[in-house]
Amino acid sequence: QKEVEQNSGPLSVPEGAIASLNCTYSDRGSQSFFWYRQYSGKSPELIMSIYSNGDKEDGRFTAQLNKASQYVSLLIRDSQPSDSATYLCAVNNAGNMLTFGGGTRLMVKP
Amino acid sequence: DAGVIQSPRHEVTEMGQEVTLRCKPISGHNSLFWYRQTMMRGLELLIYFNNNVPIDDSGMPEDRFSAKMPNASFSTLKIQPSEPRDSAVYFCASSTWTGQDPEAFFGQGTRLTVV
Repeated sequence: QKEVEQNSGPLSVPEGAIASLNCTYSDRGSQSFFWYRQYSGKSPELIMSIYSNGDKEDGRFTAQLNKASQYVSLLIRDSQPSDSATYLCAVNNAGNMLTFGGGTRLMVKP
Repeated sequence: DAGVIQSPRHEVTEMGQEVTLRCKPISGHNSLFWYRQTMMRGLELLIYFNNNVPIDDSGMPEDRFSAKMPNASFSTLKIQPSEPRDSAVYFCASSTWTGQDPEAFFGQGTRLTVV
């Protein structure tokens, strides 16, 4: 079983809608959680980090963390075609080992 | 800061040749990660260093792969001998290992093609 699981998608949403991306992880000792965005042919770009249970908002992005359920999500409000990319969930343990999920491909249709 | 710098950006080599990939982490960062990305397997952690010391190399696929970090500002990933199945994009990333805000930033990657 992979340590960090994501639905590979593609997730298709219309422009202006809310995109919801989900991630589960297996290591209960995980301490830090990240969302990266990767455009085709580019390197992963950090967009959100979250360290405690609850919600964290940054512009159109909201990260949600539930450590009891070992679940992390990313909501993108007012989705734009420029949001079309692969979104990678990453989890960091106490030793700073950073493990990625397989990514979810998001397509925002105009 | 210029960010994480990797070289070369592209490498085409023949099977059996030695390949060396290079990485300069962000100044002040004390953790460095080497990842490999393919369509089939996604982003795989190969090895990571804390304070120049290799912590976990369980992701290194075979003895053909080796990585070093001789100082805080430089790391190499070597493949010897290279094989066509090593073709992938190799990313280096760095972060701080202080227990607070351990956000990792990636270099632009090296696209390796072994023919």
